[in-house]
Amino acid sequence: ETGVTQTPRHLVMGMTNKKSLKCEQHLGHNAMYWYKQSAKKPLELMFVYNFKEQTENNSVPSRFSPECPNSSHLFLHLHTLQPEDSALYLCASSQGAQPQHFGDGTRLSIL
Amino acid sequence: DQQVKQNSPSLSVQEGRISILNCDYTNSMFDYFLWYKKYPAEGPTFLISISSIKDKNEDGRFTVFLNKSAKHLSLHIVPSQPGDSAVYFCAARSTSGTYKYIFGTGTRLKVLA
Repeated sequence: ETGVTQTPRHLVMGMTNKKSLKCEQHLGHNAMYWYKQSAKKPLELMFVYNFKEQTENNSVPSRFSPECPNSSHLFLHLHTLQPEDSALYLCASSQGAQPQHFGDGTRLSIL
Repeated sequence: DQQVKQNSPSLSVQEGRISILNCDYTNSMFDYFLWYKKYPAEGPTFLISISSIKDKNEDGRFTVFLNKSAKHLSLHIVPSQPGDSAVYFCAARSTSGTYKYIFGTGTRLKVLA
């Protein structure tokens, strides 16, 4: 299923770099989410947007900055990340009470 | 504190047999539970769900059972097939205004041919 597309699929960056992760959903959903998945840990919810408005910030450090210009696009801007931020970042979307649809993720490695 | 727990990190089952994956939760406000399946290099895909007003939901080879008093749910796959080999995540949703899902750590299922 390609309803939720994430780019890039892999990203390697230094701690002083600035980069952005992009998510696009073609399902007409009104909610979008960023999750972080680290090894042997549960998926951690980072941010939730409903109709472009941020409704959840799960105590995420300010070096992660989300942006939702419209209901179909979600970005995660990255700046001065730490090695412990290396993880799989997953985007998801949903409509109302329906289950979430996930993208394939961006594998991020911080050098 | 982890609100959704999958205590078995891995499970191996012979093809054709039943696979049983377990999940425990602590928050009595959860009203909806889901199972997701994840293949390597892909995102999780929704498999089956159950509302807290039910104790069983079946979809083909997949059945989810919910025991509210024990705060326990399980996913049964029968018969298991090699293509079922994946990581299975249990998730729970609370009744708060925003639909917020809490995930377990996952169980890696390997179905042996």
